[in-house]
Amino acid sequence: DQQVKQNSPSLSVQEGRISILNCDYTNSMFDYFLWYKKYPAEGPTFLISISSIKDKNEDGRFTVFLNKSAKHLSLHIVPSQPGDSAVYFCAASATGNTPLVFGKGTRLSVIA
Amino acid sequence: GAVVSQHPSRVICKSGTSVKIECRSLDFQATTMFWYRQFPKQSLMLMATSNEGSKATYEQGVEKDKFLINHASLTLSTLTVTSAHPEDSSFYICSARDPRRDMNTEAFFGQGTRLTVV
Repeated sequence: DQQVKQNSPSLSVQEGRISILNCDYTNSMFDYFLWYKKYPAEGPTFLISISSIKDKNEDGRFTVFLNKSAKHLSLHIVPSQPGDSAVYFCAASATGNTPLVFGKGTRLSVIA
Repeated sequence: GAVVSQHPSRVICKSGTSVKIECRSLDFQATTMFWYRQFPKQSLMLMATSNEGSKATYEQGVEKDKFLINHASLTLSTLTVTSAHPEDSSFYICSARDPRRDMNTEAFFGQGTRLTVV
């Protein structure tokens, strides 16, 4: 049973517009959530994270929103740039040095 | 920032042979490293947790005799795919957290290893 779900396998957005990537989770023990960006044949690179005590975290063009009651988080990228085109993975972990649990990823294509 | 290095990035081997993949933490000591596997267009699936100085903890369905993990030092974990078969062809990735930071932080990933068994 998937504990972290990214229901949209792909998303296409025009350059300059907002990209919204969604993620849902089922495990109530998760208290830390992360977004990773991944290119083919490379390891994931960390993008932004949020602790369960917050509902929003912003870093430049990237903002992550967390809705604990709905067990839902989203990543907003604005404005979107062609260089943002990649696969974005949502990940979650419980407190401590526990492994990350990943969603299946969403392939974002930003069209110039 | 903390860096995790993985080697080799790509390997092609014959069926029946063994392949060793190395994962190194370059500027921090990692008592725990994680090994993932990714199939095409799929998520990163945790295979095992590598513990320095003790046995690895394998996820359900992962054959411990096939995927040998050794974490002999605080900066190196190795994954050996023994008697590899074509179905073992996949993308293998390791990760670790920097213990100098809070445990509840991002994990750093290696570059990944593309294994092709022919």
